[in-house]
Amino acid sequence: AQKVTQAQTEISVVEKEDVTLDCVYETRDTTYYLFWYKQPPSGELVFLIRRNSFDEQNEISGRYSWNFQKSTSSFNFTITASQVVDSAVYFCALSEETGGKLIFGQGTELSVKP
Amino acid sequence: DTEVTQTPKHLVMGMTNKKSLKCEQHMGHRAMYWYKQKAKKPPELMFVYSYEKLSINESVPSRFSPECPNSSLLNLHLHALQPEDSALYLCASNMWFGEKLFFGSGTQLSVL
Repeated sequence: AQKVTQAQTEISVVEKEDVTLDCVYETRDTTYYLFWYKQPPSGELVFLIRRNSFDEQNEISGRYSWNFQKSTSSFNFTITASQVVDSAVYFCALSEETGGKLIFGQGTELSVKP
Repeated sequence: DTEVTQTPKHLVMGMTNKKSLKCEQHMGHRAMYWYKQKAKKPPELMFVYSYEKLSINESVPSRFSPECPNSSLLNLHLHALQPEDSALYLCASNMWFGEKLFFGSGTQLSVL
């Protein structure tokens, strides 16, 4: 069965600090997809990134970067030079190729203080 | 149009009421989803429709009844709910399994 673990429940940083959110997943499929979503206090789920299991290249988008390591079943997310607007709950999620389920981790609540 | 639209945004209902939540997308997506999210928790999958047919029911109580009248519309019919069913109900859609999910802004439901 698929499972996503985000061990960090809450993280608090001061603005301009770098912060890494951890995500570990379990699946028996060889083809799967990993996602990060952001949920600000307003409640909507904002898509950040999708990765398939065959693409282990790290990705950078502005202040955001993602490190995908199949060997450790991890898909970690780093925010560089954090800002107050980054305060939100961040969810890592996993979808296997068959079935259609997108399963979320428990989420990490990030608080960035000025 | 890259939106998933959910109505109503807020709903208060009594335990004997019947109400419906509505979700609409015009992106040509073939899969549509209902998720339930309690405060401080992740979204939990309830139902998945693929090509207008129910493909996944995550053992949801029968007081929740989904319906997919056409490829753009998804409804969730509510009847005899309990106070513990109070939550944010999220609709989502995508083209194929494994693709990015587009989420609506949700219906905040309170059952009194």
